[in-house]
Amino acid sequence: KAGVTQTPRYLIKTRGQQVTLSCSPISGHRSVSWYQQTPGQGLQFLFEYFSETQRNKGNFPGRFSGRQFSNSRSEMNVSTLELGDSALYLCASSYGGYSMNTEAFFGQGTRLTVV
Amino acid sequence: QQQVKQSPQSLIVQKGGIPIINCAYENTAFDYFPWYQQFPGKGPALLIAIRPDVSEKKEGRFTISFNKSAKQFSLHIMDSQPGDSATYFCAASNKLTGGGNKLTFGTGTQLKVEL
Repeated sequence: KAGVTQTPRYLIKTRGQQVTLSCSPISGHRSVSWYQQTPGQGLQFLFEYFSETQRNKGNFPGRFSGRQFSNSRSEMNVSTLELGDSALYLCASSYGGYSMNTEAFFGQGTRLTVV
Repeated sequence: QQQVKQSPQSLIVQKGGIPIINCAYENTAFDYFPWYQQFPGKGPALLIAIRPDVSEKKEGRFTISFNKSAKQFSLHIMDSQPGDSATYFCAASNKLTGGGNKLTFGTGTQLKVEL
């Protein structure tokens, strides 16, 4: 069974640009969550999508957005990049049932560097 | 504030020792407590998880102890090996507000197991 796939693995962008990251969840998983990992702030929840709808949102500015497609693949977009957006962006997938806690499995992440 | 406090920040043990990592939480609504292991350049990998209706759970060399009244939980790694050298994160979530798809993470513990 293939794991969570994130593309690209590495990105270098210039301040002010925008970027789109992609995540393909484990087959059968309907929930995709995104996290930002930095040395200073650790792992922080960005948002979660389930059945093409944003179900949860963390405390990040509106420059961070996402979407999910009918095949459960998800993209996140960061507009007007700032130096502080440099981080490892992680995607996690799970079955997503809301009546119980379901295990989340992470991809390897996309390392974004803003210069 | 939904926080999970993790200690110690770093830990060095000898091969065969039993490192113990501790976490404390504030939100009594948390009902799912997973531990993740992360190697450099990789995404976090789920190790073991516990729910508050049990006080201990073992999977292989990894054991979680849970103290609901103290709002604390800990990870013990039995017979630690150099291959266990990694960063460990505790996390917590609530199934009513996101389940395993919206995790609040501790700050991480960098473990080194020496020969």
